[in-house]
Amino acid sequence: DAGVIQSPRHEVTEMGQEVTLRCKPISGHNSLFWYRQTMMRGLELLIYFNNNVPIDDSGMPEDRFSAKMPNASFSTLKIQPSEPRDSAVYFCASSFIRADQPQHFGDGTRLSIL
Amino acid sequence: GNSVTQMEGPVTLSEEAFLTINCTYTATGYPSLFWYVQYPGEGLQLLLKATKADDKGSNKGFEATYRKETTSFHLEKGSVQVSDSAVYFCALVMNTGNQFYFGTGTSLTVIP
Repeated sequence: DAGVIQSPRHEVTEMGQEVTLRCKPISGHNSLFWYRQTMMRGLELLIYFNNNVPIDDSGMPEDRFSAKMPNASFSTLKIQPSEPRDSAVYFCASSFIRADQPQHFGDGTRLSIL
Repeated sequence: GNSVTQMEGPVTLSEEAFLTINCTYTATGYPSLFWYVQYPGEGLQLLLKATKADDKGSNKGFEATYRKETTSFHLEKGSVQVSDSAVYFCALVMNTGNQFYFGTGTSLTVIP
């Protein structure tokens, strides 16, 4: 079975540019999570969706960040405008909506803002 | 609130040494507990889990027992290999939701 698929794997862009990260969850999973990982702050939950509906976006750093899940098989995380401090690895994870079910992570997008 | 505390790293061991990575948790109810492993350049992968008190999760020679009395879920392996070098994350999820709470991760390096 295909796992969680993220694209692109790497993104390098200049500050001020719009960045769009994409995620395809595992088929049948109905919960999707976006995380950011940095050396300084570790793994941070940005936002998560249940059945395509945003449940908790309290981890989204500021208004420059937005996330959408238009259907069960696709989600985007957008940064506009991007800043150097947004440089990090962004992970998408999916799971079933059950407390004892594990999250399955993609391989991440390594984002560098120059 | 809900949280996970892991031992500080990095941890460096010789091949075939015994490994323990401590994890304790704070939870307002009854969590399920997980260990994840992250290899360089990859996402987190589920290593093992336990869903109730006294359960033991095991996988690839790693074990962890859900201890409610000490609110702990320590990861152990009897004989580590170089290929076990990675970052290990402890996590919990409450039985009332599906948001995970991750520890800060413990980096393990195994030297030949």
